[in-house]
Amino acid sequence: GENVEQHPSTLSVQEGDSAVIKCTYSDSASNYFPWYKQELGKGPQLIIDIRSNVGEKKDQRIAVTLNKTAKHFSLHITETQPEDSAVYFCAASIGNYGQNFVFGPGTRLSVLP
Amino acid sequence: DAGVIQSPRHEVTEMGQEVTLRCKPISGHDYLFWYRQTMMRGLELLIYFNNNVPIDDSGMPEDRFSAKMPNASFSTLKIQPSEPRDSAVYFCASSLGNTGELFFGEGSRLTVL
Repeated sequence: GENVEQHPSTLSVQEGDSAVIKCTYSDSASNYFPWYKQELGKGPQLIIDIRSNVGEKKDQRIAVTLNKTAKHFSLHITETQPEDSAVYFCAASIGNYGQNFVFGPGTRLSVLP
Repeated sequence: DAGVIQSPRHEVTEMGQEVTLRCKPISGHDYLFWYRQTMMRGLELLIYFNNNVPIDDSGMPEDRFSAKMPNASFSTLKIQPSEPRDSAVYFCASSLGNTGELFFGEGSRLTVL
């Protein structure tokens, strides 16, 4: 079955710096890769996603890159702000664009003022 | 829209008691998911429904867990009897068709003493 690994587990950056979180997946049939942000006491919320026919996607300060050959994808946050502090989860669809996902273990990002 | 609504937000119970968690998905969404989140195992999918029909319950840990979706606007997750290892945050999420985006509720934090 699908296995998703995520690194690092914790990340501290200075406000204004960039943050990068990396994920790998095992199922070559996976074709949808969302990223979720979870703030304390709340449910995860989708912040960006990418499909396998695209190599990169950007939305303001966040971007995601996908390397299907190597089976890894990354989240990039530029000009980090204190409100970016949260736990970030990557996920990969199980098989071909299903409604079922495997989530990575999460990365706790702290943006220091 | 009010988003996905879960109740109760917090539940403390004693081992052996029955626990019922409730979820109201976003109106019009045809997929509903139950996830469990723990420090050790992260976000795990327990079961999901499409148009009120259970599609995949392979994540349900054992027979003590059951889930129902009697109509498009309500679902329950029941644990009977509860055990201390069931302590976790349980999330309900819904989605529309095959768009991929999951909308999570704020979770139900269960503590079994």
